[in-house]
Amino acid sequence: NAGVMQNPRHLVRRRGQEARLRCSPMKGHSHVYWYRQLPEEGLKFMVYLQKENIIDESGMPKERFSAEFPKEGPSILRIQQVVRGDSAAYFCASSPPGFLNTGELFFGEGSRLTVL
Amino acid sequence: AQTVTQSQPEMSVQEAETVTLSCTYDTSENNYYLFWYKQPPSRQMILVIRQEAYKQQNATENRFSVNFQKAAKSFSLKISDSQLGDTAMYFCAFMKQGGSEKLVFGKGMKLTVNP
Repeated sequence: NAGVMQNPRHLVRRRGQEARLRCSPMKGHSHVYWYRQLPEEGLKFMVYLQKENIIDESGMPKERFSAEFPKEGPSILRIQQVVRGDSAAYFCASSPPGFLNTGELFFGEGSRLTVL
Repeated sequence: AQTVTQSQPEMSVQEAETVTLSCTYDTSENNYYLFWYKQPPSRQMILVIRQEAYKQQNATENRFSVNFQKAAKSFSLKISDSQLGDTAMYFCAFMKQGGSEKLVFGKGMKLTVNP
């Protein structure tokens, strides 16, 4: 029973390039969350998606960041024109729908982005 | 907005000892969940224990237990019989029940268990 799968685990980009991070939720889970962890900090909520819908993007920076969770395939977090301040670990989490939800999120192992 | 505060940035303890990690939070909500997550050097976030706010009984999972004081908005984690594998960052987190189910994390506390 595979858990939340994230790739790549490590990504290095130069300033100005684009970064794409992928997340496949646990089987049967329809809710996906992205969190960012800066060095020496706790995780900060970015966005909450269901299939083909963004439910809450209150934690997303206004520019350069976007997220999607298409009908088929993984959720994608896209960062355009990366800057050094985007260097962080990006975690994806998933949860089952509605009545199965006990409030617990299941996390992936994270994608570490380094911007040179 | 909810906030979660972990005031102890770092602790160390000897193997087999008991240690308590503190956490306070601020919210105007009445229905919510509280969590402790562990992040070992592998960096994966692992759920340690969960508490529903409406439950008066403190949650327990093997060597891990919580002291949940709703009126004081306090949620401490007690680790009994500490093991070397307990060495990790520990994060306290809050989730409002209903709504968008997003977790609000504290800044974390580094626990080191020494042999």
